[in-house]
Amino acid sequence: AQRVTQPEKLLSVFKGAPVELKCNYSYSGSPELFWYVQYSRQRLQLLLRHISRESIKGFTADLNKGETSFHLKKPFAQEEDSAMYYCALSPYGNNRLAFGKGNQVVVIP
Amino acid sequence: DTGVSQNPRHKITKRGQNVTFRCDPISEHNRLYWYRQTLGQGPEFLTYFQNEAQLEKSRLLSDRFSAERPKGSFSTLEIQRTEQGDSAMYLCASSFHREENIQYFGAGTRLSVL
Repeated sequence: AQRVTQPEKLLSVFKGAPVELKCNYSYSGSPELFWYVQYSRQRLQLLLRHISRESIKGFTADLNKGETSFHLKKPFAQEEDSAMYYCALSPYGNNRLAFGKGNQVVVIP
Repeated sequence: DTGVSQNPRHKITKRGQNVTFRCDPISEHNRLYWYRQTLGQGPEFLTYFQNEAQLEKSRLLSDRFSAERPKGSFSTLEIQRTEQGDSAMYLCASSFHREENIQYFGAGTRLSVL
């Protein structure tokens, strides 16, 4: 079975400060990892996925198979980054997503 | 709005009643997923369709739950004999086979069982 752990429920940061959201996973095979984001009053949407290796809205995430982690980082937080962030895993060759409990990020002006 | 559409947005029902939710995926998306999200938790996978075939069901999907996608387009999720523990947000998502695992979510149906 796969499991995704996001240890911090709420993260408050000042505008311009770095943001790091931790995500650890357990899965015996080769997973695909994602970060999904939900802004206030909006639906859940994909932020980035590890195979893309791209930066979206200034966010990056690197898959570390040794540490089984997929932490999300942004060097300078903006007010519009305030949202709920979910780390998710999909087993290789499967389409279902297993989500963590989420991180509420509040960026203080 | 050409995104995933879910109806109704809210449903309040009494314990023991049956409820049905509908999901209309993005046009041409052949994969459709149902998830359930309770307060303070991330979405939990319930079931998945490829076209009209239901390919996977979670153990969370008890025999009171049934999902269909009869023509490979919209899907319905029915809960029979609702219980208070069924109160949750029910999310639908769809994806295109050439963009595997990029799932587009609907706004959800919030179910409250009294």
